[in-house]
Amino acid sequence: NAGVTQTPKFQVLKTGQSMTLQCAQDMNHNSMYWYRQDPGMGLRLIYYSASEGTTDKGEVPNGYNVSRLNKREFSLRLESAAPSQTSVYFCASSEVGLAGKETQYFGPGTRLLVL
Amino acid sequence: QKEVEQNSGPLSVPEGAIASLNCTYSDRVSQSFFWYRQYSGKSPELIMSIYSNGDKEDGRFTAQLNKASQYVSLLIRDSQPSDSATYLCAVNMGYGQNFVFGPGTRLSVLP
Repeated sequence: NAGVTQTPKFQVLKTGQSMTLQCAQDMNHNSMYWYRQDPGMGLRLIYYSASEGTTDKGEVPNGYNVSRLNKREFSLRLESAAPSQTSVYFCASSEVGLAGKETQYFGPGTRLLVL
Repeated sequence: QKEVEQNSGPLSVPEGAIASLNCTYSDRVSQSFFWYRQYSGKSPELIMSIYSNGDKEDGRFTAQLNKASQYVSLLIRDSQPSDSATYLCAVNMGYGQNFVFGPGTRLSVLP
């Protein structure tokens, strides 16, 4: 299993450009998440999807859109990038274990610089 | 506002010592608690999960949970330089609920 994969690994954008960050998981997990991580801020949830066909806003959704294309894939789109969106973006998926508890696993991250 | 608090550190310990990392959370209905290790430039890696009051041991790692005090800790015994990383505490309120992360504690194990 590849686990959670993300593309691209690095990206440089100019202000106003758009791009889509791709995420896929091969663990048959229902829930998927997008986070951003900034120095000193920890991980902040942008959007999440509890199941195929559903998405919900997290703590910092402004400036982003998401698509849960199917059970495997969850993409994050920046329609008009701003320097404030310079960050490291992590995708994650989660499974429910034997105890009925949910555990989350992370992809390798995408480093985005907006000039 | 659900919050998870951690000392940002850095926490420095000598090689072979016990490193103690602490985390407090604000929401009493929290059900699941996790510790992640994150090396610089890498993604978070799950190292421990704990759901019930008390201690849970896995190798050199022990997680401790006290729901009454809304407190969870991670002890690393026989600390090694390879343990130097940022440790993230995360809390989940239940299935279908968000995971909330603390800001992380940076641990430095000195040879």
